[in-house]
Formats: sequence, C-alpha cells, structure tokens
Amino acid sequence: GQNIDQPTEMTATEGAIVQINCTYQTSGFNGLFWYQQHAGEAPTFLSYNVLDGLEEKGRFSSFLSRSKGYSYLLLKELQMKDSASYLCAVRDRDYKLSFGAGTTVTVRA
Amino acid sequence: IAGITQAPTSQILAAGRRMTLRCTQDMRHNAMYWYRQDLGLGLRLIHYSNTAGTTGKGEVPDGYSVSRANTDDFPLTLASAVPSQTSVYFCASSEKSGGAGELFFGEGSRLTVL
Repeated sequence: GQNIDQPTEMTATEGAIVQINCTYQTSGFNGLFWYQQHAGEAPTFLSYNVLDGLEEKGRFSSFLSRSKGYSYLLLKELQMKDSASYLCAVRDRDYKLSFGAGTTVTVRA
Repeated sequence: IAGITQAPTSQILAAGRRMTLRCTQDMRHNAMYWYRQDLGLGLRLIHYSNTAGTTGKGEVPDGYSVSRANTDDFPLTLASAVPSQTSVYFCASSEKSGGAGELFFGEGSRLTVL
C-alpha cells in the first residue's frame, strides 16, 4: 500500500514561489504525479516523475528522489488563479494511483 | 471532445436505496477508476478496471460494486446506500500503454445519503 504525506495548507503572496513537499512509502513504485484541483472542480494533471530529478513545465516544476521517497512541486511567479488544492499521488505496479490528502494553497495579493 | 461524462451530477438519496452512478469515456482508454473524495481524506480508490471484462478492489470497496462490460462504460453501484457513503465520487480513466498514463477525471457526482 501507499502512505503519502503532504502539508495541509500553505499561504503565499502573488509573484512569490511556493514549494509543496510530499513524502511517500510504497510497496511498488511506478511513478509520482501532481494534480491541481480548484474548489468544486475535478483534479487536472500537472506533472509526472518516474526517474530522479527535476521536471520543469513552465511556472511549475516537480522533483523526485526515489531513494528518499520524496517529491516536491514548485510553483513560481504565483498568480491568484494558482489558489487551489495540490494533490500528490503515487502509482503502483498495478497502475493504481493513491493520493495524499492534498495541500490547499492560498495566494494573497 | 467530451472526455469523461458522469451522471448524475448531484443526487440526494434515502438510506437503503440502490443507486448507480454512470461513467462513460470516449477516449478509448483501457483503464478506468472510481474514487470518492471526502474532506481531509483526499481521493480514495473504490474500484478499478485495467481493461474491459476485468475489475479490481481499491482501498475502500465495501458497499460498492462495479462492472466493465465494454471499454467505454464503468458504472458504480451502491446496493443499499448508507449515510457514510455521502461523498463526491469521481470517475477517471487512463491509457496505460505509453506516456505518463495520467488520469483524466470526470466532473464528479455529489451524492448525499440521508
């Protein structure tokens, strides 16, 4: 099974950078995902890491260390529209995805 | 492109009643999933199907059943609803072969059991 931990809430100022950490314990690792979910909406895919290192996609970057069971999502140049919940998820060898409880990010002007 | 369609969007149900949440995808993805999302607990996997004709149990399968008669449809049935099944239910699909295989989610079905 999976045990996925991430902070419950974070607050940052518009234009700033925020880093959301995620630690996990898994019986069979087959990829780590980050999803964004705005209130009342469905989650949408942000990033995917299967090998160690940094994946950059515009203002968002995601890092993975498999040996440490650790990932982070970096949000740069924060905008008001980035206020949302960010979900860390780990996939196992059966292609089942387990999610953390999510981190609610509030961006203030 | 519709993607994943869930129905109903919202439903209030009396305890003990039978309810089927419908999920249809038009992306020809081989894998489909049902999750429930509750405040503070995040998304929890109920049942999944890696391909048409097969299903598997997730983290919280009790009280729920699924079927996968074809590639496109993956209904979730509550045989006898209980108040603890009040939740938002998300159906999702993914393509397992090639690429990241990320999940695509439907818009959710909000179910209230009284």
